[in-house]
Amino acid sequence: DIQMTQSPSSLSASVGDRVTITCRASQGISNYLAWYQQKPGKAPKFLIYYASSLQSGVPSKFSGSGSGTDFTLTISNLQPEDFATYYCEQYYSYPVTFGQGTRLEIK
Amino acid sequence: EVQLLESGGGLVQPGGSLRLSCAVSGFALRSYSMSWVRQAPGKGLEWVSAMSESGDTKYYADSVKGRFTISRDISTNTLHLQMDSLRAEDTAVYYCAKAVSWSRPFFDFWGQGTLVTVSS
Repeated sequence: DIQMTQSPSSLSASVGDRVTITCRASQGISNYLAWYQQKPGKAPKFLIYYASSLQSGVPSKFSGSGSGTDFTLTISNLQPEDFATYYCEQYYSYPVTFGQGTRLEIK
Repeated sequence: EVQLLESGGGLVQPGGSLRLSCAVSGFALRSYSMSWVRQAPGKGLEWVSAMSESGDTKYYADSVKGRFTISRDISTNTLHLQMDSLRAEDTAVYYCAKAVSWSRPFFDFWGQGTLVTVSS
């Protein structure tokens, strides 16, 4: 199975900041990577696919990059509604696997 | 509008069984691959099982293989997860999720989840 490792596990930031979350795959996955946002008690929300393609309706403040084994999610101009947990997912092969999550908290 | 609505969760004793359902609307199950993804309390997301668009191919996580069975009813547009021989470590919120395709299973729509608690 492909292991996905996110860093950091948690992150404190202020409104208006720009943050970057990293996701590393245990083997090359080309660009078959998705990102999700999850708020407490809610289902995950789909943000990005093919590492850098923004899902329709997702604000352009979210951006993704990377290929192979190293990927990043960047969120600019943080607003209160952006504070949540973020997960990466590799869909290069089954079983699909998720990173352990990065909790983004308000400083 | 795409909607997924899970049901069937609850409290069950270790060794017991439970059947989850996911009623979908806004799209036809026969046209899309579907998965179940779970989340233990305070933990991350774990993929559990997937079914192809045709329904012919089914995959399972090693942690549930031989105990869980994914199925669907095309006539009612409902996905199911039969869970047998349940263990404490199966305690989680279970989400059904619509995949964009079988070959590229990222999930554009999710249900609200149903909680399964395995405890005596």
